[in-house]
Amino acid sequence: DQQVKQNSPSLSVQEGRISILNCDYTNSMFDYFLWYKKYPAEGPTFLISISSIKDKNEDGRFTVFLNKSAKHLSLHIVPSQPGDSAVYFCAASGLGFGNEKLTFGTGTRLTIIP
Amino acid sequence: EAQVTQNPRYLITVTGKKLTVTCSQNMNHEYMSWYRQDPGLGLRQIYYSMNVEVTDKGDVPEGYKVSRKEKRNFPLILESPSPNQTSLYFCASSVGVVEKLFFGSGTQLSVL
Repeated sequence: DQQVKQNSPSLSVQEGRISILNCDYTNSMFDYFLWYKKYPAEGPTFLISISSIKDKNEDGRFTVFLNKSAKHLSLHIVPSQPGDSAVYFCAASGLGFGNEKLTFGTGTRLTIIP
Repeated sequence: EAQVTQNPRYLITVTGKKLTVTCSQNMNHEYMSWYRQDPGLGLRQIYYSMNVEVTDKGDVPEGYKVSRKEKRNFPLILESPSPNQTSLYFCASSVGVVEKLFFGSGTQLSVL
């Protein structure tokens, strides 16, 4: 049972344009969401997070949007740069009900075309 | 330098031969966890630990053991490895579970 889903395994975007990566979740008890970025032969690195009390969080070129009613979050990267080519994982946690586990999605491979 | 160190980086072994993958962090983090990454399945949590002597199962704990005798170390033990445990393994640590995780560089394990 995949509680966190990234339905697009891959995405290609022209350099300078906007990249939009999507993530859906099924567990309504999730209340904290994170995005991680992973380059080949390296461990994932934290990118940005959002609490369920917010619907948007920005950090430079990266913005995460949360739609609780749709159980959907998205990561926007503007403008996209070649160094953004990586695999992106969304993750969710539900501390609100005492669950200390972090559940990851299956990942989306983003390729930025120069 | 703040880091999570896991060893070895690559490991090839045979079915049934016990092995340990070590993980150490130098950030005094309370929370540590192990994940495996498989194609099409993303990152799946094996075990996690909220503090010394406190461990709990993640989503795929079968066939694995962990221990947390010291705050900085969180080894992953495969008592009797099987081919379905061939995977890329990551150790991670953080101040708390909702804080950003710091990951090690990964251990590529092949069980023949």
